[in-house]
Amino acid sequence: QSALTQPPSASGSPGQSVTISCTGTSSDVGAYNYVSWYQQHPGKAPKLMISEVSKRPSGVPDRFSGSKSGNTASLTVSGLQAEDEADYYCISYAGSNNYVFGPGTKVTVL
Amino acid sequence: QVQLQESGPGLVKPSETLSLTCTVSGGSISSSFWSWIRQPPGKGLEWIGYIYFSGSTYYNPSLKSRVTISLDTSKNQFSLKLNTVTAADTAVYYCARAGVPAAAFDPWGQGTLVTVPS
Repeated sequence: QSALTQPPSASGSPGQSVTISCTGTSSDVGAYNYVSWYQQHPGKAPKLMISEVSKRPSGVPDRFSGSKSGNTASLTVSGLQAEDEADYYCISYAGSNNYVFGPGTKVTVL
Repeated sequence: QVQLQESGPGLVKPSETLSLTCTVSGGSISSSFWSWIRQPPGKGLEWIGYIYFSGSTYYNPSLKSRVTISLDTSKNQFSLKLNTVTAADTAVYYCARAGVPAAAFDPWGQGTLVTVPS
């Protein structure tokens, strides 16, 4: 059982926006600004999309953005494109050199 | 840019030790943190642990009693050993550079499937 909670699925039409939530506790998501988001296409390794809640690594389109409020972090994909269809995972630092993961959200582009 | 590649047996018998190696190219292993993460077929990700270039290690509490991560700076490699495996340890095992404590794992290796038959 995952320590973080994500919706199992989310969907949107091309050009629309989709937001995925990642809910933890005051000991992980709420305690640190160390939440990251990963995109994983079938059969591929995860790819870092957002780090430290809202930082976008070089090469990641600015359509991807992250935020946090309290114990919930969110990833928003704006201007949805076909290649955004993938599984998305959140990870949070949980203190004492430990990390907790979300179960993943499958994003479908309609 | 830094690239990582996992290697090791794809089949491990129950109760034996799973051993994997991650080879780092395009950069030195003598910096940063280096991590192992696994993903059972059709399931989510699980952090196994990481090692700092100094040799300090940190493990997932749920796996700590069975895991050892080590470093070989002469070969620019780091390794994972997981002992007393069961079918529940069947997974794709990934190695990744870890941004600590930022939970920023990047880049990742392509992953290697390790099967433990039941």
